Amino acid sequence: GAVVSQHPSWVICKSGTSVKIECRSLDFQATTMFWYRQFPKQSLMLMATSNEGSKATYEQGVEKDKFLINHASLTLSTLTVTSAHPEDSSFYICSARPLAGGREQYFGPGTRLTVT
Amino acid sequence: QKEVEQNSGPLSVPEGAIASLNCTYSDRGSQSFFWYRQYSGKSPELIMSIYSNGDKEDGRFTAQLNKASQYVSLLIRDSQPSDSATYLCAAYSGTYKYIFGTGTRLKVLA
Repeated sequence: GAVVSQHPSWVICKSGTSVKIECRSLDFQATTMFWYRQFPKQSLMLMATSNEGSKATYEQGVEKDKFLINHASLTLSTLTVTSAHPEDSSFYICSARPLAGGREQYFGPGTRLTVT
Repeated sequence: QKEVEQNSGPLSVPEGAIASLNCTYSDRGSQSFFWYRQYSGKSPELIMSIYSNGDKEDGRFTAQLNKASQYVSLLIRDSQPSDSATYLCAAYSGTYKYIFGTGTRLKVLA
């Protein structure tokens, strides 16, 4: 149980274009989903916390107009990287906290974004 | 600033030995603690959660929590080369706030 999927697993896009990443909780409902970014050999960096049906809470320094987060249902959250630039190339990972049960959060497999 | 501190390592242990990973946290209000394993190039995977003082065992893994000392540890018995990874400690301090440590890299030598 507690499976989280992400799509796509990797994506290459041209500078200036937008990319949407989907995060789904497959076997549980999640009121809260988290988006992280991780650069090579660095630690996880929380970008934003999203609750179903409400606006995401962004961490300091994360541009909310550049990283659009939508949490439209209890099983789906999306992250759209708008006007992507090479410096946005990174490993984007979502996680979800089940509606029922403890306080654990379960991570998706991640999406590797390369902006050329 | 709420923090979770871990030694970055690498911690090298021989195969079959016990690996001991440690973590301290600064927020006394932290309620729950988690250990994640992250292989290179992959996302974190939950290994253990611990909510109350004492030990919690699951297979080869034992998590230990001491709230008075603000200390969490993970013991891995009979370490295998496949356990070689970075281990992240995380603390939940309420209101959907999780603080992650930077991780300890474990190398199990065959």
